[in-house]
Amino acid sequence: DGGITQSPKYLFRKEGQNVTLSCEQNLNHDAMYWYRQDPGQGLRLIYYSQIVNDFQKGDIAEGYSVSREKKESFPLTVTSAQKNPTAFYLCASTDRARTGELFFGEGSRLTVL
Amino acid sequence: KNQVEQSPQSLIILEGKNCTLQCNYTVSPFSNLRWYKQDTGRGPVSLTIMTFSENTKSNGRYTATLDADTKQSSLHITASQLSDSASYICVVSPFSGAGSYQLTFGKGTKLSVIP
Repeated sequence: DGGITQSPKYLFRKEGQNVTLSCEQNLNHDAMYWYRQDPGQGLRLIYYSQIVNDFQKGDIAEGYSVSREKKESFPLTVTSAQKNPTAFYLCASTDRARTGELFFGEGSRLTVL
Repeated sequence: KNQVEQSPQSLIILEGKNCTLQCNYTVSPFSNLRWYKQDTGRGPVSLTIMTFSENTKSNGRYTATLDADTKQSSLHITASQLSDSASYICVVSPFSGAGSYQLTFGKGTKLSVIP
């Protein structure tokens, strides 16, 4: 079945460590996105990529990095520079020809110990 | 600044009852509005999309309405089921052809359906 796969589902990190969250899609979508979700807040855009080898900062990019070497993959690295990384992270994709509907992965919950 | 406000923040209803969730937006221009359902610990899933020319759209027991003049939308759930327990998120797109990076998200309404 087509969809978006995020891994790991749960991740624990010590302060000062970098961690990478995986996002893979087999929907043949051009655009991919990373969102952060905190309790009581709306989704906030971290980074997005509309095409391979290109990506743009979203509203809260500080302390995060991404790469887009393949159409199917858009990994997110949470660096030690991110001061409050504990959150639920959602990866999404959309077909550029049908803007609007985001297809989300199941999310990754990162906890900093 | 574009904003999407949802109410109530949370809601508890008995199984079988109906409920209505509200979404008010200040996004301008306006192209479309989507309602997403997010089960706890999972990714959101699209329920319905409303364009500026549509007033009502149904998806099973879910009925969305839109008043583009007052910039209000509602999501009505009929004969609620335990599986309706989730957060419902309202998302607004500013113009046709806008990239998904230009969406404005509401904070969601957390619905709990109890037996």
